[in-house]
Amino acid sequence: EAGVTQSPTHLIKTRGQQATLRCSPISGHTSVYWYQQALGLGLQFLLWYDEGEERNRGNFPPRFSGRQFPNYSSELNVNALELEDSALYLCATTRLAGYEQYFGPGTRLTVT
Amino acid sequence: GENVEQHPSTLSVQEGDSAVIKCTYSDSASNYFPWYKQELGKRPQLIIDIRSNVGEKKDQRIAVTLNKTAKHFSLHITETQPEDSAVYFCAVSYLDYGGSQGNLIFGKGTKLSVKP
Repeated sequence: EAGVTQSPTHLIKTRGQQATLRCSPISGHTSVYWYQQALGLGLQFLLWYDEGEERNRGNFPPRFSGRQFPNYSSELNVNALELEDSALYLCATTRLAGYEQYFGPGTRLTVT
Repeated sequence: GENVEQHPSTLSVQEGDSAVIKCTYSDSASNYFPWYKQELGKRPQLIIDIRSNVGEKKDQRIAVTLNKTAKHFSLHITETQPEDSAVYFCAVSYLDYGGSQGNLIFGKGTKLSVKP
């Protein structure tokens, strides 16, 4: 069984630009969660998508947004990038009515 | 909203000793408590979890205990080995009646170092 995949592995952007990060779930998984892992801050919940809808969002500004596609893959968009957005962005997925979250390898976003 | 505190932030033990990491949470509705291990440069991986209808769960050298009244839970690793060195995160969530999970709220992590 293929694991959760994320692309790109690394992304370097300039302040003010937009970044798009992608997540492909394990086959049969329908929920996607996005987390930000900044240095020294642990994992902070960003967004949760289930069946194509946003179910919950964490304490992040509206310039963090995303969507989930009919094939359950997901995209995280970060607009008007700021230096403090530099972090590892992890997505995790669960199967329908499942509770174990499986993480992808992450996308390292660097904002200069 | 839910708040999770994790202690200690760093822990150094000798190989063969036990390690204990503690977490407290604030929302009494939370009912699912997983622990994740993250090795350097790798993704977090679930190592053990517990639901609120159980007070303790064990898997070989790893155990988790839960005190719902006091709203705290702990990870216990016995007979530690150098390969146990990693960052450990506790997390809290709410499972609905169908077993579907909401998002996880994580503690800030504990860096465990096991010296040979």
